[in-house]
Amino acid sequence: AQKITQTQPGMFVQEKEAVTLDCTYDTSDPSYGLFWYKQPSSGEMIFLIYQGSYDQQNATEGRYSLNFQKARKSANLVISASQLGDSAMYFCAMREMGTSGTYKYIFGTGTRLKVLA
Amino acid sequence: DTEVTQTPKHLVMGMTNKKSLKCEQHMGHRAMYWYKQKAKKPPELMFVYSYEKLSINESVPSRFSPECPNSSLLNLHLHALQPEDSALYLCASSQSGVGSYEQYFGPGTRLTVT
Repeated sequence: AQKITQTQPGMFVQEKEAVTLDCTYDTSDPSYGLFWYKQPSSGEMIFLIYQGSYDQQNATEGRYSLNFQKARKSANLVISASQLGDSAMYFCAMREMGTSGTYKYIFGTGTRLKVLA
Repeated sequence: DTEVTQTPKHLVMGMTNKKSLKCEQHMGHRAMYWYKQKAKKPPELMFVYSYEKLSINESVPSRFSPECPNSSLLNLHLHALQPEDSALYLCASSQSGVGSYEQYFGPGTRLTVT
């Protein structure tokens, strides 16, 4: 079963507008972490923002914020005031304990964002 | 220093060659990861090392052989690869244990198998 679901393969947004990238997750572990990464065409994965399952407030990092709705198991990324440099692939990921007792990270299929001038 | 380095950046190898990918971090992280990523797909976990011991092998073919010589270095030895193994290989590291630990990724090695 898919543990991280990103239903938007591609998104367009006008420069300076806000955009929301969707992510839903599935876990029975009460303690988990959710992450968003950006991957430009160069290939490097860049960490953007983190939300812990016990965090009471939504995470924010500059122009990035995370709309965390625990009951709905969703962790949507909001990018405000989009810039041309935001054009990239965005991955939602969840950190969970593997069967060997080691943590591993599960990635969604990604959303490709294109910012239009 | 929050950098993970990977060498080489690009690698072209024949199916009979033996080569190695290298990864290094100096952040004191005790968990290190190898991922394989095909174009337009998410990273696919291959191996996880925790405290220099292999703790996760996601059923990776034996033509890929990981090695963790010390807490800062991670190698991936390649032998008798197939053209379908051509991909971007990403190394990552993180702190280990319970906590809000993001992974730090290297820039990757673009591998082409001819």
